[in-house]
Parts: sequence; C-alpha cells; structure tokens
Amino acid sequence: GQSLEQPSEVTAVEGAIVQINCTYQTSGFYGLSWYQQHDGGAPTFLSYNALDGLEETGRFSSFLSRSDSYGYLLLQELQMKDSASYFCAVFTGNQFYFGTGTSLTVIP
Amino acid sequence: GAVVSQHPSWVICKSGTSVKIECRSLDFQATTMFWYRQFPKQSLMLMATSNEGSKATYEQGVEKDKFLINHASLTLSTLTVTSAHPEDSSFYICSASTIQGLQETQYFGPGTRLLVL
Repeated sequence: GQSLEQPSEVTAVEGAIVQINCTYQTSGFYGLSWYQQHDGGAPTFLSYNALDGLEETGRFSSFLSRSDSYGYLLLQELQMKDSASYFCAVFTGNQFYFGTGTSLTVIP
Repeated sequence: GAVVSQHPSWVICKSGTSVKIECRSLDFQATTMFWYRQFPKQSLMLMATSNEGSKATYEQGVEKDKFLINHASLTLSTLTVTSAHPEDSSFYICSASTIQGLQETQYFGPGTRLLVL
C-alpha cells in the first residue's frame, strides 16, 4: 500500500519560519507535491519536486531527498493567512497519493 | 494557471437517488483526471483515475458500480454516485493533471459537497 506521514498539527508565530515534514513509502515515485487547503476550500498547488534538493518559490520552499523517502515544506515570514492544512502528495506515475495532512495555525 | 471547474458545488438529495458531478478543465486538455473524497478533518482519498476514452481505474475498496466514472472527452469527466446513502455524504473533489517538463501538476476543482438525507 501507499503511506505518507506528516505531523498532524503545527503552531507557529507570525513572522517565524516553520518546516512541515513528509515521509513516504509508495510503489513508484516520480515526484513529491505540496498543496495548501483552507477550511471549506479545495487544495491549491504549491510546489513539485522531481529531483533531490531545495526548490524556492517566494516565501515557500520545498525539499526532497529520494534516498531517504523524505521531503519538507518550509514556510518563511509566516502570515496569518498561512493558517491552513498542508498536504504532501506523491506522484507514482499514474496517481497522486496524499499524506495525512498537517494543520498549521499561525498565532500573532 | 490552469482552471478546473466542478458542478454542482452543493447537492442535497434523498437516500436512494443518484447524483452526477461534472468536472471540466476549462483552458487545457487533460488526458487524466482524478476523483477524490475527503471527510472532515481528513486527507484526500483517491477514489479513481479517469483516462479519456477508457475505463476508469478504481482504488481498492471503491465500488465501481456505485461510483460510475465517465471521461467522455479531454475536458470533461463525470462521477455518478448511484443509489446514494447517508454514508456517501462527503466532499468530492476532482483534479486534472498536466505535464510540463519534469513537473507533474495537479489542478483541483472547487469540490462538490454532497449531503444525503
């Protein structure tokens, strides 16, 4: 089966940096994606890593280590609007499988 | 970015009726669309992968006769929940994927909330 693990909840202060980890075990691996989902909404795409290393997109960065089956999403200069659920997802070549999700709460 | 629409956004129906949900890619062609179900405070669970012109591939535990998927064109996939029951009440989300170089990107529709009474 497919397994993607994330911390269930994270709380951080506005302006700080937070890292959300994702470890995975899947049959097949093409890349790791990250999505943000606000309450009541659909997921929105944040990043995709097919190769090892760090990808930076504005305040968000995503890292992948294929040998460790591990990745993380780094959020810098946290804002209140970043409070949401964050999901990692593995693309196996045919499907995307989602992690358990991390609920991020940003406090003043 | 690419846009995916879903219709309807809300459905309330009686137990035993069938409900059809449409998923459209508005500004790109999607050879593959995905259907997910999400219960409150939980992750997205992949139900099936829909390929244009062929039968959908269902995940283990998903009844293909209950959740009928039709991918008639490169821009439209439909999910029909047949003989809906209260336990089918959920948030159903479709997505369409595109490939740009090495990047496989999934764009989600806004979702359909189904409530079965």
